[in-house]
Amino acid sequence: NAGVTQTPKFRVLKTGQSMTLLCAQDMNHEYMYWYRQDPGMGLRLIHYSVGEGTTAKGEVPDGYNVSRLKKQNFLLGLESAAPSQTSVYFCASRTADRPKETQYFGPGTRLLVL
Amino acid sequence: KNQVEQSPQSLIILEGKNCTLQCNYTVSPFSNLRWYKQDTGRGPVSLTIMTFSENTKSNGRYTATLDADTKQSSLHITASQLSDSASYICVVSAIGAGGGNKLTFGTGTQLKVEL
Repeated sequence: NAGVTQTPKFRVLKTGQSMTLLCAQDMNHEYMYWYRQDPGMGLRLIHYSVGEGTTAKGEVPDGYNVSRLKKQNFLLGLESAAPSQTSVYFCASRTADRPKETQYFGPGTRLLVL
Repeated sequence: KNQVEQSPQSLIILEGKNCTLQCNYTVSPFSNLRWYKQDTGRGPVSLTIMTFSENTKSNGRYTATLDADTKQSSLHITASQLSDSASYICVVSAIGAGGGNKLTFGTGTQLKVEL
């Protein structure tokens, strides 16, 4: 049981390049999330999904797109990377047992945009 | 606007000592409050969670308290160890529709435990 895994762990991009971050979970969770973490700021929600085939915008969605074609995978895409997207990206998934829903986080992807 | 404020921003303590981290929030309607531990270069890991009716929760040497009236929480670490060095993040969940509860993350308290 690997939990939540993220690929790649680290990436350097040039401004304007595109890339896709992959998140995979093996816990059969319905809900999945993408966050970014920047120095001096709390984690901020980019996009989330409540089930296969569904996605929704979070707090800071501009410049990102997502897809949830399979229940276990949640992809985050940057179509044209900008230096402002330099950050650490975390994927999370959760159970549905309210009110004590538990989010399990992946190890993060460190992205540097030059 | 929902906000979570943590203090202190950073803290250095000697191994074996106790410490208390603070979290104040303005999140409504309140669902639950969770403390996460985030080791350097890793994702956050949940330590404790408390709902409105719970005012204390322990997980080994970690004890969290919640005062829902004053909207304050604390995380007390007893007999600190070097492995406690990490960022501790307070996360407050507001009741929401559709995709579930909305989370507001604090910026964390960076704890360093030294010999």
